[in-house]
Parts: sequence; structure tokens; C-alpha cells
Amino acid sequence: DGGITQSPKYLFRKEGQNVTLSCEQNLNHDAMYWYRQDPGQGLRLIYYSQIVNDFQKGDIAEGYSVSREKKESFPLTVTSAQKNPTAFYLCASSTREWNTIYFGEGSWLTVV
Amino acid sequence: AQKVTQAQTEISVVEKEDVTLDCVYETRDTTYYLFWYKQPPSGELVFLIRRNSFDEQNEISGRYSWNFQKSTSSFNFTITASQVVDSAVYFCALTIWAPSGSARQLTFGSGTQLTVLP
Repeated sequence: DGGITQSPKYLFRKEGQNVTLSCEQNLNHDAMYWYRQDPGQGLRLIYYSQIVNDFQKGDIAEGYSVSREKKESFPLTVTSAQKNPTAFYLCASSTREWNTIYFGEGSWLTVV
Repeated sequence: AQKVTQAQTEISVVEKEDVTLDCVYETRDTTYYLFWYKQPPSGELVFLIRRNSFDEQNEISGRYSWNFQKSTSSFNFTITASQVVDSAVYFCALTIWAPSGSARQLTFGSGTQLTVLP
């Protein structure tokens, strides 16, 4: 089945460590996105990518990095520079023409 | 800049009651798209509906219906005969038109937690 796969579902990080969240889609979508969700709040855009080897910062990019080496993959690295990384992270994708964004199941990141 | 307001933080209803979730948006663009997503406890955002700014027709899909009114900048969502499985957080979102090939950036409301009691 086509869809967006995020892994891991749950991740614990020690302070000072970098962690990478995986996002893979087999929908043949050109654009991919990373959102952050904090409890009781809406989603905020971290990074987005329109095509391979290209990406732009969203509203809260500080402390995060991404890469887009393949159309199917858009991993997010949460660096030690992110001071408050505990949150729920959602990956999404969309086609060039269709104005709908589809989401993965999300990844919970907790700093311990 | 765009803004989406969902003033209802939490709503509780008893099964089989009708419930309306409110959404008010702000944008200076004339071409835009509005969405509703459902987020069950599992966390995934499930797409429910997309409406463009030129289409003010109300839509009904099963027990779901949507009322889009540009005059009041509202895009409300009604669930008829609610069921326990409808319990979730519901998000309203807005994106402005972008040329083909451009990424779509969604502006989300803060969500409404709907609890349907048996």
C-alpha cells in the first residue's frame, strides 16, 4: 500500500546527542515536509523540500537539519542545538499539482 | 500571514448527538485552500476534506458535513449522530495558492479535542 512511513515511533535522546528521524514515502510525491507538534497545540513547520537536493527552512528550523538525497526519503536530524526537542514529529508529502498534504504516523521524541 | 483559529479547545458530547467544530481563518490572499484533519490517539493526521476559496458549496459526506462561508471567514465542521470512534483532535488548516511545483505550507489551528461519550 502507498503511504508515508516514519521511524522510529518512539525515541529517547540524552541531552547533547543528535538523533535522526526517518521518513520514507512511496507515493511518488515531489514535496516533503517536517512538522513539530507540542501538546495541546497545532503543527508548526520545521523544513520542507520541493524537489531532490533542495530544501527550505520553515517557521522553526533552528536546531534541526534535513537532507533530500532521494525523492522517497526526507530524514530529519534533531541536533543538540535544539533546546527543547521533546515533541511529536510528523512527516508529510504532497504532489506538485494536488493541494493536499498527507501525513505519516509520527514519531515521539523524548529527551531524558 | 495566515492565521487559523479554533476557539473550542475541548468538546464533550454523548453518543448520537450532533456536534459542530468551529474554524475561523485569516488571509489576504484571494486563492486559498482549507482543510480539516482528524488526529486519533495513534497520532497520525487523517485528511478529511479540502475546499478551495472559489467553491462555497457546502459538502456532506456520510455523517460529516462542512459549511464554508467566505463572508465570515469560517469553515465549520459538523458530525451528525456522533459515535465514540469520532473521539479525536480535529484540526482546521489553511494554505494559500502556490504555483505548480511549489511546496504547500499549511497553517494549522490549535485543534479541538472531541470526546464522544457512550
